[in-house]
Amino acid sequence: GAGVSQSPSNKVTEKGKDVELRCDPISGHTALYWYRQSLGQGLEFLIYFQGNSAPDKSGLPSDRFSAERTGGSVSTLTIQRTQQEDSAVYLCASSFGTDNTGELFFGEGSRLTVL
Amino acid sequence: KQEVTQIPAALSVPEGENLVLNCSFTDSAIYNLQWFRQDPGKGLTSLLLIQSSQREQTSGRLNASLDKSSGRSTLYIAASQPGDSATYLCAVKGGTGKLIFGQGTELSVKP
Repeated sequence: GAGVSQSPSNKVTEKGKDVELRCDPISGHTALYWYRQSLGQGLEFLIYFQGNSAPDKSGLPSDRFSAERTGGSVSTLTIQRTQQEDSAVYLCASSFGTDNTGELFFGEGSRLTVL
Repeated sequence: KQEVTQIPAALSVPEGENLVLNCSFTDSAIYNLQWFRQDPGKGLTSLLLIQSSQREQTSGRLNASLDKSSGRSTLYIAASQPGDSATYLCAVKGGTGKLIFGQGTELSVKP
């Protein structure tokens, strides 16, 4: 696609429910990143994919968070048993190449509100 | 552990002024540094990417410099306009491949 596409753009859920957030990267981009931005906070790294593998999962806050990427393209971030502190904007980015020099391009984000 | 700091946290200037935003990082072993802008409620828009072997990059009224040895980058905005009002973020990419962000500078350009 022309840019990084994320869905849903907004999600309101009740505490304890599971949610799935989807990211469709720019076509041909091999690297994919998930970040979280809480109100008034900076960007917090969650996980990074190169192809379908995740060399760095160090930012996932707890075992309730998981992510996968299939076919080297679309990625899904899953949050199980959501808590109020999970409320944030979840941003996805992609970049071309495997040598860590690529420019990152971000999607518009998925705003998650946990009631 | 890489840490990125941006100064100032907020800046308000009258239209037409030239301005400089600062970014510093603690570990000079980086692949590149990228400047972004973020408008309220939106994602990040890439402004400039400087590879570790480069000293500066320019795009229109924007110029970014990189001094890896001192761990500093500056974003220079010439002849600022109200449409430049946004939060500006710098981020460095290290050996693990992930981008580490500063907290941002919130810029307001008054007409």
